[in-house]
Amino acid sequence: DVKVTQSSRYLVKRTGEKVFLECVQDMDHENMFWYRQDPGLGLRLIYFSYDVKMKEKGDIPEGYSVSREKKERFSLILESASTNQTSMYLCASSDPGGGGSWNTEAFFGQGTRLTVV
Amino acid sequence: GEDVEQSLFLSVREGDSSVINCTYTDSSSTYLYWYKQEPGAGLQLLTYIFSNMDMKQDQRLTVLLNKKDKHLSLRIADTQTGDSAIYFCAESPGPDSWGKLQFGAGTQVVVTP
Repeated sequence: DVKVTQSSRYLVKRTGEKVFLECVQDMDHENMFWYRQDPGLGLRLIYFSYDVKMKEKGDIPEGYSVSREKKERFSLILESASTNQTSMYLCASSDPGGGGSWNTEAFFGQGTRLTVV
Repeated sequence: GEDVEQSLFLSVREGDSSVINCTYTDSSSTYLYWYKQEPGAGLQLLTYIFSNMDMKQDQRLTVLLNKKDKHLSLRIADTQTGDSAIYFCAESPGPDSWGKLQFGAGTQVVVTP
């Protein structure tokens, strides 16, 4: 069974703390993504990576950074957590497609609900 | 980015059919997806349709695609209480998108007995 695993289901952090969210996939996928999910806003892309050590900004990168040192692991970093970063964070991975197929089905982790107090 | 729009809420009686609608704006979209999210969980792929198809059926699920109007729908036949969830439609904008999916805001489906 394919798997994307996020290190924590629930986290509570204080304002100003540095926060690390970890994600590991076992499908040898090249692409990995971090989204945040807020009610009524759906999923918004924070950052994505299409290869080791490569990263690209998504739609809402401010206040976040990422790290991809190994193909299977993609970390999201909140440099100085703020209350407006309280949210559900979802990690996903996918193949880039190819061979005439652009089916880029994404596989998701179970999510990390982060509360910043 | 391109917008994907869905209604936010749908209430349906157990045993009835549910229809969830979605509109998208990127005419170069190649694949369109329906994901389901149960409470407290991540997203799970339900089904997808390639842009050169009009319809796809998979057991109780029927996906209809009107490419001219950029309209996608998901019909769930004989809706059950276990179908209560948030449903997201998503588009894959094509080969230059690096596999990024553009999601709608999600439709909360509540199934009542």
